Amino acid sequence: GAGVSQSPSNKVTEKGKDVELRCDPISGHTALYWYRQSLGQGLEFLIYFQGNSAPDKSGLPSDRFSAERTGGSVSTLTIQRTQQEDSAVYLCASSSRSGNQPQHFGDGTRLSIL
Amino acid sequence: EDKVVQSPLSLVVHEGDTVTLNCSYEVTNFRSLLWYKQEKKAPTFLFMLTSSGIEKKSGRLSSILDKKELFSILNITATQTGDSAVYLCAVERGGGSQGNLIFGKGTKLSVKP
Repeated sequence: GAGVSQSPSNKVTEKGKDVELRCDPISGHTALYWYRQSLGQGLEFLIYFQGNSAPDKSGLPSDRFSAERTGGSVSTLTIQRTQQEDSAVYLCASSSRSGNQPQHFGDGTRLSIL
Repeated sequence: EDKVVQSPLSLVVHEGDTVTLNCSYEVTNFRSLLWYKQEKKAPTFLFMLTSSGIEKKSGRLSSILDKKELFSILNITATQTGDSAVYLCAVERGGGSQGNLIFGKGTKLSVKP
């Protein structure tokens, strides 16, 4: 596609439920990133994938958060046993390679935990 | 701890004014600095700066990096209402943290007609 595509655009769920957020990067981009943007806060790095290398998970806030990238393309971010503090906009970005190439962002998934 | 600080946090100007947005950073293993514009949803890429003193320009927007003093500025001349947005500054680190960006909290610019 022309840009980074994320789904769903909005997700409302009850506390304690699991959620899956999807990101489809720009075709041909080998690097994929997940960020979280909470109200009043800057974007916070979560995890990044580069090609077939092991992902950099250093930004994941707890073991309830995990992510996969299948076939070097689509990625899924999973949050288990959601908590109210997980409410945020989750943004995905991709770049043609890691380092010295601008990251291009999707529109994000707005997650609301009731 | 690595950090990126933007100022001011918010700014209100009138159409036609010129504005300067500031971004300072303290980051180990600096690789590049990026500026993004965020309106309602996706941050859109404006500039990537890697070298000091070289101005990048796109229409009414320009930006420059000072790696000695560890800051960057984003200038917008002859502002228009369509420039209203949050402007985000981010620094890319190299080494083991290669690729991931540290963001400032942004400057919210409001341009009044």
